[in-house]
Amino acid sequence: NAGVTQTPKFRVLKTGQSMTLLCAQDMNHEYMYWYRQDPGMGLRLIHYSVGEGTTAKGEVPDGYNVSRLKKQNFLLGLESAAPSQTSVYFCASSLARVAKNIQYFGAGTRLSVL
Amino acid sequence: GENVEQHPSTLSVQEGDSAVIKCTYSDSASNYFPWYKQELGKGPQLIIDIRSNVGEKKDQRIAVTLNKTAKHFSLHITETQPEDSAVYFCAPGPLISSGSARQLTFGSGTQLTVLP
Repeated sequence: NAGVTQTPKFRVLKTGQSMTLLCAQDMNHEYMYWYRQDPGMGLRLIHYSVGEGTTAKGEVPDGYNVSRLKKQNFLLGLESAAPSQTSVYFCASSLARVAKNIQYFGAGTRLSVL
Repeated sequence: GENVEQHPSTLSVQEGDSAVIKCTYSDSASNYFPWYKQELGKGPQLIIDIRSNVGEKKDQRIAVTLNKTAKHFSLHITETQPEDSAVYFCAPGPLISSGSARQLTFGSGTQLTVLP
């Protein structure tokens, strides 16, 4: 009954360091998403994927890269972290082409860039 | 793209009172209007949604109303309880996720606090 699992839950980086956030879902969902959540700005879409091997840019893609090598996993990479990337990151997934566009979220990753 | 405004940003109510949160959107092509609830330390979770051909939907103490002409929809919570304290997000967008450029657009959130 895992749903969407994000690792790690917390991370502190120094400016310029790189890291990868992992999202895994066990619901056989086609679509996966990465959002960032900042105070007063809600959830902003970074990148998303409509299937294994495909990715697309969202509203705020700069400074991030993603990969979807396996259907159940969606990775978010920061190549050179900046303080502006301090945020809480959420991964979500959804079924494709069904009656309702419901997204299922993970518990989030809190990232601080010093 | 979709421009979403959510009001108020914070809302405090006494336990037992009602709470109303409003969401205004700009894209007339949006035909799906969900509300998500985010509890402290967790990810958002869908609590209620409505399609564009329906004006109102109710599920126990929560309801959503839609005014498609005016491009706004609202979340209504009656007989509020402490466990209703959370951040609420509206997320208008396409009813069916089809991989197009249009995705759900989340509002900026409303922090609801229910005072005992």
